[in-house]
Amino acid sequence: DIQMTQSPSSLSASVGDRVTITCQASQDISNYLNWYQQKPGKAPKLLIYDASNLETGVPSRFSGSGSGTDFTFTISSLQPEDIATYYCQQYDNLPLYTFGQGTKLEIK
Amino acid sequence: EVQLVQSGAEVKKPGESLKISCKGSGYSFTSYWIGWVRQMPGKGLEWMGIIYPGDSDTRYSPSFQGQVTISADKSISTAYLQWSSLKASDTAMYYCARQPLEQYYFDYWGQGTLVTVSS
Repeated sequence: DIQMTQSPSSLSASVGDRVTITCQASQDISNYLNWYQQKPGKAPKLLIYDASNLETGVPSRFSGSGSGTDFTFTISSLQPEDIATYYCQQYDNLPLYTFGQGTKLEIK
Repeated sequence: EVQLVQSGAEVKKPGESLKISCKGSGYSFTSYWIGWVRQMPGKGLEWMGIIYPGDSDTRYSPSFQGQVTISADKSISTAYLQWSSLKASDTAMYYCARQPLEQYYFDYWGQGTLVTVSS
């Protein structure tokens, strides 16, 4: 099974800061890597698919990059409404989908 | 407008059976996969399995194979997740989510169904 290592597990930043979260796969997963945002008490929301594609309607301050085993998610200028937990998710043969452990983002 | 509407919260006792639902609307239900994701209290997301309502092709995560059953009734655009004998450790929020064909992400999510199993 492919293991996903997401870091950091928590992050505190100020409004306007650039925020970066990483996800590392234990094997090459090409660009089969997605990023989701989950606000407290809400369902997850797709932000980035296939490593770097911005989902329709998602603000352009969110971006993703990477391929193979190393991936990065970036918020270029943190806004108060970005407070949430962020998850990466990979696709492979089995178990088909695996989520990272999550990164809880807080405002400093 | 695409919507996935899940059934309401459930409180059950250990050993009881349960079937929760996820009704799709605003799109062709038989042309997209529906996946199920578990989130235990205060924890992360775990993918459980997925079904293609068009032909009922179903795949399970090895962690959930044999523990739950995923099904769908395309005549009423509804997918299901069921347990035959609940355990306290099944207490969690369960989400359904839509996956486009030949894509590998979940683009729309249900609001979640909270299942509480307690004696």
